[in-house]
Amino acid sequence: KQEVTQIPAALSVPEGENLVLNCSFTDSAIYNLQWFRQDPGKGLTSLLLIQSSQREQTSGRLNASLDKSSGRSTLYIAASQPGDSATYLCAVLIYNQGGKLIFGQGTELSVKP
Amino acid sequence: DARVTQTPRHKVTEMGQEVTMRCQPILGHNTVFWYRQTMMQGLELLAYFRNRAPLDDSGMPKDRFSAEMPDATLATLKIQPSEPRDSAVYFCASGLVAGGISYEQYFGPGTRLTVT
Repeated sequence: KQEVTQIPAALSVPEGENLVLNCSFTDSAIYNLQWFRQDPGKGLTSLLLIQSSQREQTSGRLNASLDKSSGRSTLYIAASQPGDSATYLCAVLIYNQGGKLIFGQGTELSVKP
Repeated sequence: DARVTQTPRHKVTEMGQEVTMRCQPILGHNTVFWYRQTMMQGLELLAYFRNRAPLDDSGMPKDRFSAEMPDATLATLKIQPSEPRDSAVYFCASGLVAGGISYEQYFGPGTRLTVT
């Protein structure tokens, strides 16, 4: 059974710091991995999607990497801003099961001005 | 700006009442998902549809939950009878699966359900 774990559960950093959020999964047979952002009381916003054949994806100050063999992904946020404060979730798409995403519990990020 | 819409955004009801939640997926997406989010369990997949056909509803309590797609622009999730433990935020998401590739899932704003 696929399990997704995110560490740390919460993180507080001063504005301007570069930071890394971690995601690990137990079964390497994934189709892709998606990082989401969730603001309090809101839905999920897709940030980056990495197909299983890819190693990384970049969007602005965000860079996500994927190492399927070790079951790990990282989300790197450069020059963090208070507006980056949110919960970040990673989710893996189970291979050959259509669109079934398995989510981690999320990392709650707080960026202090 | 295409987005997934959900109604109602908030619902408070008494135990035993029927609850219906609606979702309009993004036009052109062929896969629709229903998720439930609670503090204790996080995000759980309840059911999903491809081209309006149910593919997997193993995450749903079958005795009280039902999900349907009457047409390509509407997905519904029904709870009858509702119980306090059903209190959660219910998200609908849609995505495109084409040519063997699954693309991003886009989430709606959610329906916050409180059952008293």
